[in-house]
Amino acid sequence: NAGVMQNPRHLVRRRGQEARLRCSPVKGHSHVYWYRQLPEEGLKFMVYLQKENIIDESGMPKERFSAEFPKEGPSILRIQQVVRGDSAAYFCASSPGTGNPRGDEQYFGPGTRLTVT
Amino acid sequence: AQSVSQHNHHVILSEAASLELGCNYSYGGTVNLFWYVQYPGQHLQLLLKYFSGDPLVKGIKGFEAEFIKSKFSFNLRKPSVQWSDTAEYFCAVKTHGSSNTGKLIFGQGTTLQVKP
Repeated sequence: NAGVMQNPRHLVRRRGQEARLRCSPVKGHSHVYWYRQLPEEGLKFMVYLQKENIIDESGMPKERFSAEFPKEGPSILRIQQVVRGDSAAYFCASSPGTGNPRGDEQYFGPGTRLTVT
Repeated sequence: AQSVSQHNHHVILSEAASLELGCNYSYGGTVNLFWYVQYPGQHLQLLLKYFSGDPLVKGIKGFEAEFIKSKFSFNLRKPSVQWSDTAEYFCAVKTHGSSNTGKLIFGQGTTLQVKP
């Protein structure tokens, strides 16, 4: 039973480049959450998506960041024109959603560590 | 604003010592509470959770936590730690309300180092 998969595990980008982070949820899970962990800080919520819908993007920076979860394929977190301050670990989590007794549990992936040089 | 506070940032214990990690949250309504653990080089794993019922919750690997509603606290405990418990521990809260969309609010984490 595969868990949440994220790739790449490590990503190095130069300032101004684009970063694309992928997340494949647990099979059968229709809810995906993205969190960011800055050095010496806890995880901070960024965005919550269901298939083809953004439900809550209250934690997303207003510019340069976008996320999608298409009908087919992984969820993508896209950061355009990266800056040094974007260097962080980005974690994806998935859950079965409402109507499932374990619907409130979120299962986390291993994270993508983004370094901007 | 809703927030979660973990009082201890770095804890060092010897094997067999008892552990208690503090967690407090700020929200007056209904909450679900979680403790996650992140072992070195690994992803976050759920240790235990509280949804309702008995406020004393038992999790994996001998961990337990007690929800004290009047104190807005959910402290993590283990009677006797092992070297393999060396990890980072995160407390998280999910609030219930009209604006709730399922997101977790995390504390800043506590790094536990257990000396053999």
